[in-house]
Amino acid sequence: DTGVSQNPRHKITKRGQNVTFRCDPISEHNRLYWYRQTLGQGPEFLTYFQNEAQLEKSRLLSDRFSAERPKGSFSTLEIQRTEQGDSAMYLCASSAELGTDTQYFGPGTRLTVL
Amino acid sequence: GQNIDQPTEMTATEGAIVQINCTYQTSGFNGLFWYQQHAGEAPTFLSYNVLDGLEEKGRFSSFLSRSKGYSYLLLKELQMKDSASYLCARVRRQTGANNLFFGTGTRLTVIP
Repeated sequence: DTGVSQNPRHKITKRGQNVTFRCDPISEHNRLYWYRQTLGQGPEFLTYFQNEAQLEKSRLLSDRFSAERPKGSFSTLEIQRTEQGDSAMYLCASSAELGTDTQYFGPGTRLTVL
Repeated sequence: GQNIDQPTEMTATEGAIVQINCTYQTSGFNGLFWYQQHAGEAPTFLSYNVLDGLEEKGRFSSFLSRSKGYSYLLLKELQMKDSASYLCARVRRQTGANNLFFGTGTRLTVIP
């Protein structure tokens, strides 16, 4: 399968714990995006990488959130001191810089904070 | 999100045609995407419009009017598997990339 992959698919944690999610983009894509989606809403943009550089961060990305893409391939999203409001689906997407720059999404990581 | 409006829910009959409308804020516009999302799954790409007019792709077509800030997705010969949410997303190009701002989605239910 050469699509975007994300791990884990589901994560249940207690409030206050730290969690880390991983995204592996389509191999030839140099752009990588993180979104958050809650029930009944569309995805909300969190942050974007071009290669290893994090070029844009949404105001939704509080200080408890950090994302990295150290070698310009896979990316991690860490949430520190989780809160119940962090419960959501975290979606990763990737795109190639050329053409229409269409974003292709991974299956997401569903986070539940108890 | 970014003044994107689309109906919350629609119902249509198998075999019929349905049109899902989307209006958006025109300032800073750089293109519009439509995605399909089945419950519990990731959004999948359907279409991209940046110029005015109709783009046809099999049973699905998408239309754009930039001056009116309006797009629609047209689904023909509806099948039960078309029951899903349809997300309209406009592009806001700030850092050279297509940062997408999504509407809340239109949940389509196809009935026999």
